Amino acid sequence: GESVGLHLPTLSVQEGDNSIINCAYSNSASDYFIWYKQESGKGPQFIIDIRSNMDKRQGQRVTVLLNKTVKHLSLQIAATQPGDSAVYFCAENEDFNKFYFGSGTKLNVKP
Amino acid sequence: EAQVTQNPRYLITVTGKKLTVTCSQNMNHEYMSWYRQDPGLGLRQIYYSMNVEVTDKGDVPEGYKVSRKEKRNFPLILESPSPNQTSLYFCASSLRTGVDTQYFGPGTRLTVL
Repeated sequence: GESVGLHLPTLSVQEGDNSIINCAYSNSASDYFIWYKQESGKGPQFIIDIRSNMDKRQGQRVTVLLNKTVKHLSLQIAATQPGDSAVYFCAENEDFNKFYFGSGTKLNVKP
Repeated sequence: EAQVTQNPRYLITVTGKKLTVTCSQNMNHEYMSWYRQDPGLGLRQIYYSMNVEVTDKGDVPEGYKVSRKEKRNFPLILESPSPNQTSLYFCASSLRTGVDTQYFGPGTRLTVL
């Protein structure tokens, strides 16, 4: 399978600060990338996605950046809140049906 | 309520005893998929289905079977479970293909002794 990895396994931020979670991927042919949030005891939940023909996409308090040159994906969370504490996964999509997930980054938000 | 359900949520079994984990969605989704989640490895795709009677292997299909006889159901079958299949399993569905937003079930924690 393809390699989708994360730079940091755990990230601690202060409430109100911005968070940046990074992800590296290896398949230059991947054309769709997704960020998921997984809270303890629950299934992953879609946050935001981006296609390979875009560099940036914004949602509510979240922004995904894609750098195809260095095969890097990042998730930015603005004004991080305690409810953002979770494990975040990036995933890349191949052929519209196959998915490869990273191992996840745990985000701890300190009050 | 739109949802993906899995049963059972927890299962402890013994090596070699056939088991089935059910997955059902009520959103009329065409695409369904099974994943396993292990510490340090994230989620790995086992099988997926693009529609009724259409299934294909994901990244780690060995030791698993699936079927898609109805659009709403996508059971995962372990014919002869082994301890290395101890894991947390998630079913997911999306409207048409995998690039539509995937909705995940709550997970099934399987322990094979």
